[in-house]
Amino acid sequence: GAGVSQSPSNKVTEKGKDVELRCDPISGHTALYWYRQSLGQGLEFLIYFQGNSAPDKSGLPSDRFSAERTGGSVSTLTIQRTQQEDSAVYLCASSEDRVSGYTFGSGTRLTVV
Amino acid sequence: GENVEQHPSTLSVQEGDSAVIKCTYSDSASNYFPWYKQELGKRPQLIIDIRSNVGEKKDQRIAVTLNKTAKHFSLHITETQPEDSAVYFCAARRSGGSNYKLTFGKGTLLTVNP
Repeated sequence: GAGVSQSPSNKVTEKGKDVELRCDPISGHTALYWYRQSLGQGLEFLIYFQGNSAPDKSGLPSDRFSAERTGGSVSTLTIQRTQQEDSAVYLCASSEDRVSGYTFGSGTRLTVV
Repeated sequence: GENVEQHPSTLSVQEGDSAVIKCTYSDSASNYFPWYKQELGKRPQLIIDIRSNVGEKKDQRIAVTLNKTAKHFSLHITETQPEDSAVYFCAARRSGGSNYKLTFGKGTLLTVNP
């Protein structure tokens, strides 16, 4: 596509529920990244995909967080048993390769109540 | 790992004045330094970047300078306009190893008053 698409744009969920966040990167971009942006904070790295593989998952905050990427394209970030501290904007970015600049999606604003 | 500090956290200027945002980084292997602008409720967008083989880069009213020895880089916006109001993030990426990962500063909220 023309840009990085994320869905949903907003998600309100009850504490303890699972959520899935979707990212559709720019066609042909092999590298995909998830970042988290909390109020007043910078962009916190979560995970990096090269193709369908995730060589760096070091930023995932806990084992409640997981992500996958299929067909070298769409990625899903799953948060299980959501907690209030998970509330944030989750941003996805893609790049042509691991050393090119990022193009960000508009993010998913997650609110856990 | 890399640590990026950004100052100030907020900056208010009058229209037409200049604005300067400064960042320092910790990893001497970093060689790529982009700046992103994020308007309220929108995605971060790359506005300018610099690689470690140059000391300055300009694009119209925006310039970035890099001091590798001191490990700091700065964004300069001249003749500011109200549409420059946004949060600006600096970032750094190292060469080799984890050279895919951008480490971001915490952002600067720039307000340009008409």
